[in-house]
Amino acid sequence: AQRVTQPEKLLSVFKGAPVELKCNYSYSGSPELFWYVQYSRQRLQLLLRHISRESIKGFTADLNKGETSFHLKKPFAQEEDSAMYYCAPPGLSGGYQKVTFGTGTKLQVIP
Amino acid sequence: DGGITQSPKYLFRKEGQNVTLSCEQNLNHDAMYWYRQDPGQGLRLIYYSQIVNDFQKGDIAEGYSVSREKKESFPLTVTSAQKNPTAFYLCASSTTLMGRLYGYTFGSGTRLTVV
Repeated sequence: AQRVTQPEKLLSVFKGAPVELKCNYSYSGSPELFWYVQYSRQRLQLLLRHISRESIKGFTADLNKGETSFHLKKPFAQEEDSAMYYCAPPGLSGGYQKVTFGTGTKLQVIP
Repeated sequence: DGGITQSPKYLFRKEGQNVTLSCEQNLNHDAMYWYRQDPGQGLRLIYYSQIVNDFQKGDIAEGYSVSREKKESFPLTVTSAQKNPTAFYLCASSTTLMGRLYGYTFGSGTRLTVV
């Protein structure tokens, strides 16, 4: 099956420490990956997409085709970063096949 | 104001009853999806539809049914055959922008509880 994998269910870091949320993918072709975030009591929302090379709320993610990874990074964690993070494919269109979401990583930033 | 609307927000069902969750979008997106979100299990795909009058089973379709009679609407029916229906259900849609896949837009979810 083609899927993305997030190996950590929970990641706890102290405020001000660097953050890296891991995501690996296992499908062929040119991957297009996204990170989504779900803050407490809010709907799941797009955080960033790799094709636009954005930096949102200090987060960045680089696609590493050699390691088949798309890890989410932030140099200094803030308390408001505490949330559930999902690595995901963009969705279905044309010849794209169904690809499963990652299972999510809960980021807990300790004050 | 464009987006995806899921209703109701909370739903209670007696065992043995079918129940339908509504999902409407005014984004003109072609593809729509239903996911189930359980603690520790992330998002699991129930059904998806790439076009009107067509839909495909996802990873956990047993006990669920869908229809896609209109582009804007993708209702999910949780049938009595679903063994463990209590969960949080998310509807999403996706489209392309300038030929590139643009990502999902999610609804706010429906929490279904079987009593």
